[in-house]
Amino acid sequence: DIQMTQTPSSMPASLGERVTISCRASQGISNYLNWYQQKPDGTIKPLIYYTSNLQSGVPSRFSGSGSGTDYSLTISSLEPEDFAMYYCQQYDSSPPTFGGGTKLELK
Amino acid sequence: QVKLLQSGAALVKPGASVKMSCKASGYTFTDYWVSWVKQSHGKSLEWIGEIYPNSGATNFNEKFKGKATLTVDKSTSTAYMELSRLTSEDSAIYYCTRGASRFAYWGQGTLVTVSS
Repeated sequence: DIQMTQTPSSMPASLGERVTISCRASQGISNYLNWYQQKPDGTIKPLIYYTSNLQSGVPSRFSGSGSGTDYSLTISSLEPEDFAMYYCQQYDSSPPTFGGGTKLELK
Repeated sequence: QVKLLQSGAALVKPGASVKMSCKASGYTFTDYWVSWVKQSHGKSLEWIGEIYPNSGATNFNEKFKGKATLTVDKSTSTAYMELSRLTSEDSAIYYCTRGASRFAYWGQGTLVTVSS
């Protein structure tokens, strides 16, 4: 199985700050990489698919990039509702696997 | 709009089985794979497997073969997952989600607690 390593595991940040979360795959995944947000109540929302495509309804302050084994999610200016858990997920090969998560916390 | 409504929390004894449901609405149920994902307390997400409602075809994560059984009822647009021979390691929240690679819609999760 492809291992997905997210860094950092937690990140204190301030409103309005620009933040970047990284995700590294144990082998190349050809841009088959999605990002999700999970709120404290458990609700999971897709954010980005195929590395850089914004899911419908997701604010443009979210963006994704990367290639090969290294990918990132950037939030350009943090809003209060952005403080949550974030997960990357590869689907280059089965089984699809998720990163360990990054907790974005209010500083 | 697309919705996936999951069954409520379950408290089950070790060694028993549990069956949970995921009722889909807002789209043609038979056109999309339904996947199931496990989230143990405070941990990340694990893909369990998927089912294609139109044919009943399934694919599983090797880790969950023999543990999970996936079925559907096309007449009610409902997907089911049964977990057998439960242990404390099976205590988790289980999500259903639409898709096979890109999970665009998620249920609210079903909490399963295995305890005597």
